[in-house]
Amino acid sequence: GAVVSQHPSWVICKSGTSVKIECRSLDFQATTMFWYRQFPKQSLMLMATSNEGSKATYEQGVEKDKFLINHASLTLSTLTVTSAHPEDSSFYICSALNLLASSTDTQYFGPGTRLTVL
Amino acid sequence: AQTVTQSQPEMSVQEAETVTLSCTYDTSESDYYLFWYKQPPSRQMILVIRQEAYKQQNATENRFSVNFQKAAKSFSLKISDSQLGDAAMYFCAYWYKSVGGKLIFGQGTELSVKP
Repeated sequence: GAVVSQHPSWVICKSGTSVKIECRSLDFQATTMFWYRQFPKQSLMLMATSNEGSKATYEQGVEKDKFLINHASLTLSTLTVTSAHPEDSSFYICSALNLLASSTDTQYFGPGTRLTVL
Repeated sequence: AQTVTQSQPEMSVQEAETVTLSCTYDTSESDYYLFWYKQPPSRQMILVIRQEAYKQQNATENRFSVNFQKAAKSFSLKISDSQLGDAAMYFCAYWYKSVGGKLIFGQGTELSVKP
């Protein structure tokens, strides 16, 4: 199956600083990438959808200026949490999809990034 | 709007036994896909099985099979010969292309396997 990586897997930062999380599709071209947030024992909450070369589409209630998403290439999307606060501490997961491929129905997930804001 | 409901927050099964996880969904679409994902303690989402709505035959992957009832909008997962490694959160998910590939997840069912 297709492989998606995330970096870093775990990050601790001070309140007020910014943190960048990378999501890479290693063996396929991802026309679309998704960013999720997950709290313990809960389901995945979609934050935004990013398409290569265009602006991300954010879900209702997600602050665009706090969670900056860039999808500059077909293999890389980044999520930057700006001016992070303790309430931003969570598990962030990305997934990737190639909408132009013949089999476009399956998303592949990264291993996730645990963010802790002190 | 499409919704996915998993009504069992927790389930338990004895090793080597069979367990069924329930999932219902709501949609007005006719062509869509349904998935079961497994999330073990490592939190890596792993695709367990997928079902295309236009296919009447239930999908099967080794010990995992589904009971897809399109008219009832039901999509349950059966795990046979349960193993300790099956312990995880299981998420049912719905997808159709015209929403840009967004997956809609259920709330999840935490499965524990007793030795």
